[in-house]
Amino acid sequence: NAGVTQTPKFQVLKTGQSMTLQCAQDMNHEYMSWYRQDPGMGLRLIHYSVGAGITDQGEVPNGYNVSRSTTEDFPLRLLSAAPSQTSVYFCASSSVGGVPEAFFGQGTRLTVV
Amino acid sequence: AQSVSQHNHHVILSEAASLELGCNYSYGGTVNLFWYVQYPGQHLQLLLKYFSGDPLVKGIKGFEAEFIKSKFSFNLRKPSVQWSDTAEYFCAVNFATSGTYKYIFGTGTRLKVLA
Repeated sequence: NAGVTQTPKFQVLKTGQSMTLQCAQDMNHEYMSWYRQDPGMGLRLIHYSVGAGITDQGEVPNGYNVSRSTTEDFPLRLLSAAPSQTSVYFCASSSVGGVPEAFFGQGTRLTVV
Repeated sequence: AQSVSQHNHHVILSEAASLELGCNYSYGGTVNLFWYVQYPGQHLQLLLKYFSGDPLVKGIKGFEAEFIKSKFSFNLRKPSVQWSDTAEYFCAVNFATSGTYKYIFGTGTRLKVLA
């Protein structure tokens, strides 16, 4: 029972580098989302998707891109990393029927130097 | 804009003390309400959820929460905390109308329980 799988768990980037955080879920959930968690600020929504081919911006989308080509995968791309993007990133998924309980991945701790 | 407020950012209690964490949201439509817990170094896990019916919901580990619609509140309670309850607690609201399925989280409450 994999649930939501995020990779990598840790990453150090230099300013200006790009990278992709991977997120995959095996629960056939329509809704997937990315959050960043910073001390004292809780979880802030970066981008979300309600199905393949559909994405939308959350609260803090600048500097990040997403795509949703399949139901299972929802990668988050950092185009040109900045120190302000140092954070812990969580991917979550949920169904859109019934009570949409969110299931979270283990998180990616990203440091930009 | 929709928002979720958690008024207590840090709470320190002794074991066996009672706990109540406040959560208020700003949306007048239908909502689903959640409390998540994050133990140190781990991801978020669901404590309990409310979507309809009895406004007093019981979750895991002895936690419960009460939905008061008139106050837009969903406060978390536990009669007697344990050292192992030391964690960060997040209230979350899912806005379930107009095709909107976003989750909005509160800023979290760090609970420290002293043995």
